Amino acid sequence: KQEVTQIPAALSVPEGENLVLNCSFTDSAIYNLQWFRQDPGKGLTSLLLIQSSQREQTSGRLNASLDKSSGRSTLYIAASQPGDSATYLCAVSSGGYNKLIFGAGTRLAVHP
Amino acid sequence: DADVTQTPRNRITKTGKRIMLECSQTKGHDRMYWYRQDPGLGLRLIYYSFDVKDINKGEISDGYSVSRQAQAKFSLSLESAIPNQTALYFCATSLFGNTEAFFGQGTRLTVV
Repeated sequence: KQEVTQIPAALSVPEGENLVLNCSFTDSAIYNLQWFRQDPGKGLTSLLLIQSSQREQTSGRLNASLDKSSGRSTLYIAASQPGDSATYLCAVSSGGYNKLIFGAGTRLAVHP
Repeated sequence: DADVTQTPRNRITKTGKRIMLECSQTKGHDRMYWYRQDPGLGLRLIYYSFDVKDINKGEISDGYSVSRQAQAKFSLSLESAIPNQTALYFCATSLFGNTEAFFGQGTRLTVV
């Protein structure tokens, strides 16, 4: 059974720091991996989608990498800002039909 | 307007009551999903549908039922609500294939 783990569970950093969020999964047979941002009362916002054949994706200050063989993905946030404060969720599509299996998330606080 | 709309946004109901959560989308996606999120846990899949004639159980379908009234509408029902169904419920959509998933803003359901 596929399991997704995110470390750390919570992170508090000063503004301007570069930071890395980690995601690991137990079964390397995935179709894709998606990173989401969750804000209270605003649902989930898709940040980056990495297909199983890709190694990384970039969007603005965000960069996500995928190492399928080791079952790991990282989300790199450059020059963090208070507006980046949110919970970040990692999800893998495994077993077909684009069904997602989620990690519990990393709660990020960026303070001025 | 949101591409994936859930109603209601918040609901308090009593144990034993029947309740329906609704989801509609304007993205033209064929696949729709219902997920549940409990505090400190990742989202878990309840039901999914690939078209109006296709309904499939997810990881935690017991106590729930769904209806796909049209390509754009997917409803989740709790036939007889119980307190441990108190959670945040999300509807999601995606296109055929291993594509990006889009989520609604969530429905916070409390069963007392």
